[in-house]
Amino acid sequence: AQSVTQPDIHITVSEGASLELRCNYSYGATHYLFWYVQSPGQGLQLLLKYFSGDTLVQGIKGFEAEFKRSQSSFNLRKPSVHWSDAAEYFCAVGGYNNNDMRFGAGTRLTVKP
Amino acid sequence: ETGVTQSPTHLIKTRGQQVTLRCSSQSGHNTVSWYQQALGQGPQFIFQYYREEENGRGNFPPRFSGLQFPNYSSELNVNALELDDSALYLCASSLSAGTSGNEQFFGPGTRLTVL
Repeated sequence: AQSVTQPDIHITVSEGASLELRCNYSYGATHYLFWYVQSPGQGLQLLLKYFSGDTLVQGIKGFEAEFKRSQSSFNLRKPSVHWSDAAEYFCAVGGYNNNDMRFGAGTRLTVKP
Repeated sequence: ETGVTQSPTHLIKTRGQQVTLRCSSQSGHNTVSWYQQALGQGPQFIFQYYREEENGRGNFPPRFSGLQFPNYSSELNVNALELDDSALYLCASSLSAGTSGNEQFFGPGTRLTVL
């Protein structure tokens, strides 16, 4: 069955520190992998997506993610976190038409000054 | 270019009532997907509309229904509301379900509270 697991419900990092958010997935067919960010009271914004090719994907706002097929993982990273990065982050997996997308439960990021 | 808009922003209903939520897709997009996001959870896919036809459905009962209009705007209707229907309902539009991997653009959502 298709599923996405984000093991960390809440992460706190200091401003300027590096960040890694974990995502593991299970999906039977050819798929896309996504990371979205959601600020309070807002909809979701796409940070990056992966389908094929280079397993290290660059996104907006300085984020990157690495696809590891052997581990069924797609972890999100940022070298230096800014206070404005505080938000909820969702990993998602979907098929060809985005008509069966599965989201993880999300990881809430808090940034300490 | 106008983004995805949703109305109303907030809504309070009582159990057993019916509700209609509305979504205007981004200009040029012919595909709309609806999601339910319960508090503290990730969005769950309800269904997708592509060129006015349902194009995929998640694990939601038939009392969740939808429409897409010729201008590609969309409605989500929920009948016989239950307390567990309280959630943020998100609409997302994309360029075309006929092309793989199109980015979905999300609206700000409608917060539905069922009492």
